[in-house]
Amino acid sequence: EIVMTQSPATLSVSPGERATLSCRASQSVSSNLAWYQQKPGQAPRLLIYGASTRATGIPARFSGSGSGTEFTLTISSLQSEDFAVYYCQQYNNWPRLTFGGGTKVEIK
Amino acid sequence: EVQLVESGGGLVQPGGSLRLSCAASGFTFSSYEMNWVRQAPGKGLEWVSYISSSGSTIYYADSVKGRFTISRDNAKNSLYLQMNSLRAEDTAVYYCARDPRCDYWGQGTLVTVSS
Repeated sequence: EIVMTQSPATLSVSPGERATLSCRASQSVSSNLAWYQQKPGQAPRLLIYGASTRATGIPARFSGSGSGTEFTLTISSLQSEDFAVYYCQQYNNWPRLTFGGGTKVEIK
Repeated sequence: EVQLVESGGGLVQPGGSLRLSCAASGFTFSSYEMNWVRQAPGKGLEWVSYISSSGSTIYYADSVKGRFTISRDNAKNSLYLQMNSLRAEDTAVYYCARDPRCDYWGQGTLVTVSS
């Protein structure tokens, strides 16, 4: 099983600031990595797939980078609606998908 | 508009059974692989099961293998998860999600296993 590790567990950021979230895979997943945003009481929403491609309707302030085992999600200027939990997921080993433990982005 | 709507959750005793459904609309359901993903209260996301577009290929997480059965009815645009021998640790919100990238998710249905 490919283990996905996210850091930090919690990130405190002021509105308007930049947020950088990390995700590491226990073995290479090539670029088969997705990022999701989840708000309380809601289903996850796909933000990024293919490590760096924004999903339909996702604002340009969200960007993804990396390949192999190291990945980053950057939110360039945090808006109030961006405070949420973010998960990475590998689908290189599909259909056995694995998710990271999540990073909570909270207001500083 | 792509929509996935789960139903069938509820309170069940340990050892009991439930059948979850996921009704799909807004896309050609028969062309897409589907997944069930669950989230225990206050926890992260866990992949549960996968089914190919035709239903001919199926996979399960080790935690549910032998107890859960995934199926689909492409004529009814529906996905199912039959859950037997339920345990307390199966308590979670269950989501259906489209495609290996999980590009669309339903709103989830809560399954609570408790006596």
